[in-house]
Amino acid sequence: GAVVSQHPSWVICKSGTSVKIECRSLDFQATTMFWYRQFPKQSLMLMATSNEGSKATYEQGVEKDKFLINHASLTLSTLTVTSAHPEDSSFYICGVAGGGTDTQYFGPGTRLTVL
Amino acid sequence: AQKVTQAQTEISVVEKEDVTLDCVYETRDTTYYLFWYKQPPSGELVFLIRRNSFDEQNEISGRYSWNFQKSTSSFNFTITASQVVDSAVYFCALSDNNDYKLSFGAGTTVTVRA
Repeated sequence: GAVVSQHPSWVICKSGTSVKIECRSLDFQATTMFWYRQFPKQSLMLMATSNEGSKATYEQGVEKDKFLINHASLTLSTLTVTSAHPEDSSFYICGVAGGGTDTQYFGPGTRLTVL
Repeated sequence: AQKVTQAQTEISVVEKEDVTLDCVYETRDTTYYLFWYKQPPSGELVFLIRRNSFDEQNEISGRYSWNFQKSTSSFNFTITASQVVDSAVYFCALSDNNDYKLSFGAGTTVTVRA
């Protein structure tokens, strides 16, 4: 399977600050990247889908201005949580797909805690 | 619309017991993919298997086996002779092959006790 990294693996920040999470596809070119958030003991909730060089497509109910997604290259996508608040605390996971594979592979996740 | 149902929320077994995880799906597409992922306590989702809608052959990989039945829209997963390291949340997912998007089930938490 594909190797996907996320950075940072965990972050604690103060309310009102912005946090950037990176997702990298290390061994294949990901034409499509996905961002999910997961609350404790729940399933993954898709936030947005991004294709390289295009604007991200956000799921209903996800604030575009709150969760900024950039997919600048075939190996890197970033999720920026702007003006983070305690309710944004969650586990954020990226998924990558493309490069001839029909399978979505996932990063190790980033645990965000907003104080 | 796609939907994946994992009716079992939690399963607890003693080591060496077999455990079967149920997955029922709904889709209007004739071409689709089904997946199982494992999420151990570390949080990373680990890909286990992909099955396309035209391949109904059951598959075995070590202690893992999968039973795909289109007639009942089910894609069940069995762990044989479970081990403590199998303790994790297991997710079944469905994709219609057009955009790689996955519809996840709610997940089943498996706890294997020594």
